[in-house]
Amino acid sequence: AQSVTQLGSHVSVSEGALVLLRCNYSSSVPPYLFWYVQYPNQGLQLLLKYTSAATLVKGINGFEAEFKKSETSFHLTKPSAHMSDAAEYFCAVSERSGGSNYKLTFGKGTLLTVNP
Amino acid sequence: DAGVIQSPRHEVTEMGQEVTLRCKPISGHDYLFWYRQTMMRGLELLIYFNNNVPIDDSGMPEDRFSAKMPNASFSTLKIQPSEPRDSAVYFCASSLGSTQPQHFGDGTRLSIL
Repeated sequence: AQSVTQLGSHVSVSEGALVLLRCNYSSSVPPYLFWYVQYPNQGLQLLLKYTSAATLVKGINGFEAEFKKSETSFHLTKPSAHMSDAAEYFCAVSERSGGSNYKLTFGKGTLLTVNP
Repeated sequence: DAGVIQSPRHEVTEMGQEVTLRCKPISGHDYLFWYRQTMMRGLELLIYFNNNVPIDDSGMPEDRFSAKMPNASFSTLKIQPSEPRDSAVYFCASSLGSTQPQHFGDGTRLSIL
């Protein structure tokens, strides 16, 4: 079974600073990798998805993630943090689940706070 | 476009009572997923359906939990009898194909007293 590790349950940055949220998956290469964001009292929203077409994936709101097979990592970055980026971020990997079906395994999440 | 709709948004009930959570997926989506989110365990997949048929229920914690999808536009997750440890936020999500991004509802916050 796939596993996902998000290093740092809480990351705090200043407005305008670089955002780096770390995600490592288990050694077998998953077909798909995702980053989701969750704002308070809401469901998860897709930020970006890796599908092997390109190792650098651009998402919404200025976020991007780079797939590094040698490091089994899929870290999320944003050059300049905005106050509205404060939320919880989840990394997820897909794994086969019977026949041609896939299911997601989520990391425990990283809470991002942005200081003025 | 309407997203995934869950009801109720909040439920507070006493231990031993039956709880029914409801979900309306996005029209045309053929996969529906039920998740539970807690501080201790994070986001856990409970069960998912493809074309109304349960595919993987290995995440359902015990026999007190059951889920149905009688048609393409409606699913329920039932807990009977409920226990305090079932307190959590329950999310429903749907997707068009299991490799495509899942769209989440806003969740049901369940408190069992």
